[in-house]
Parts: sequence; C-alpha cells; structure tokens
Amino acid sequence: DTGVSQNPRHKITKRGQNVTFRCDPISEHNRLYWYRQTLGQGPEFLTYFQNEAQLEKSRLLSDRFSAERPKGSFSTLEIQRTEQGDSAMYLCASSRTGGPGNTIYFGEGSWLTVV
Amino acid sequence: QQPVQSPQAVILREGEDAVINCSSSKALYSVHWYRQKHGEAPVFLMILLKGGEQKGHEKISASFNEKKQQSSLYLTASQLSYSGTYFCGTENAGGTSYGKLTFGQGTILTVHP
Repeated sequence: DTGVSQNPRHKITKRGQNVTFRCDPISEHNRLYWYRQTLGQGPEFLTYFQNEAQLEKSRLLSDRFSAERPKGSFSTLEIQRTEQGDSAMYLCASSRTGGPGNTIYFGEGSWLTVV
Repeated sequence: QQPVQSPQAVILREGEDAVINCSSSKALYSVHWYRQKHGEAPVFLMILLKGGEQKGHEKISASFNEKKQQSSLYLTASQLSYSGTYFCGTENAGGTSYGKLTFGQGTILTVHP
C-alpha cells in the first residue's frame, strides 16, 4: 500500500485568505481523519469521515473550517478567512474500517503558516 | 479528555532503558503508540487492545492495564534512532468514540551516543 498522501506540504498565506488542503488516504481505507497539531502538542482531533459521510466534528472546528469527502476517496479541508491562530500542521489519517481497534496511519502533514 | 503522559522528557545514553506512561480518566478500548520526529508525521508503533496485553516490536514493547486505564511503553537498549516524541493515543470505549484517538501531550526522548 502507498501511504496517506497530503498536499501541499507547506503553505504560507496572508491573514484573511482561504486555503485548501487535500488528503488521499490509503487505498480501500473507509475511515478518514483530520487532526491539527501545534508545536509541542499532540495531534488534536478535528473531524472524521466514514466513506463520504462526515460523522463527527470537534468543537475546535469553527465555521471557517469545512471538510469534504465527496466520493468517499480523497478529502479536502478548507479554511476560510485564515487567522494567525490557524498556523499549525494539519494531519490526515486513515484506517481500514471504522471499527474499534483499527490501526490509524498518518500522512506527512500539511504545514500552514498564516502571516 | 486528554490522556496524561509521563515523564514529559527523558534523556538517555545509547543502551539505556526508558519507560513512558500514559494514563486516562476514561474507560479505554485500546491504546495506540506513535513516535514522531521533528517536522514529520507520527509513525505507528503498536496498538494494545486487551487489558493486561503486552506487545513487542524489536526492543520496544508496551503493556495495557485496562482496569487502571493505563499503558506503558518500554524502550530497552535504546538506539540513537529512538530519539523523538512519543505519543499515546487512546480510544475510548463505547458509542461513537470508536476509531477516534485522543492524544497525550507527548514525551520527548533524546538518546545521546
């Protein structure tokens, strides 16, 4: 299997601009997760999908954030009107199923810097 | 609620051993351990599913005490490549929490020659 792929790997944007990140999960993985990680912290859960259905969103996910997985394959995470506090690494992860105890594999992350 | 990891940081010389602990206030179904190097993605090490289960991966092993809601990661005869930040991710038992991991704040492990 190829791993979880994310792009772009790095994005520098001006405050107020919109950014979009893409994630391609491991082939045939039904579950897809988005996490956010800031320096010195563990990954924080943002949202996850089971196939194309978005099952849960964290309260960290303000209305400026939207995620989609239109065909149950790749996913996009869009941040509108970026703020400096959005600067972080955005991690995508996938697992084979949504059942308990599944191994979750992370992509290499997309670094966002808002200036 | 975020699991608590201890210690926050460990400094070792090659060949020394270390233990990293992860404790949760919630009932757990599983504990997942990851290692992350600076600027890279977390890399999966192992998953522990059952109470009292112990697993091994080369010189890295872990245990999970379901009743105490605790897990420990054991690194023996450490190598330079073990340096990084170790995270435990806990999967809470029940409801829609399955499959979703909540991560601790991490333990920074530094191995010196």
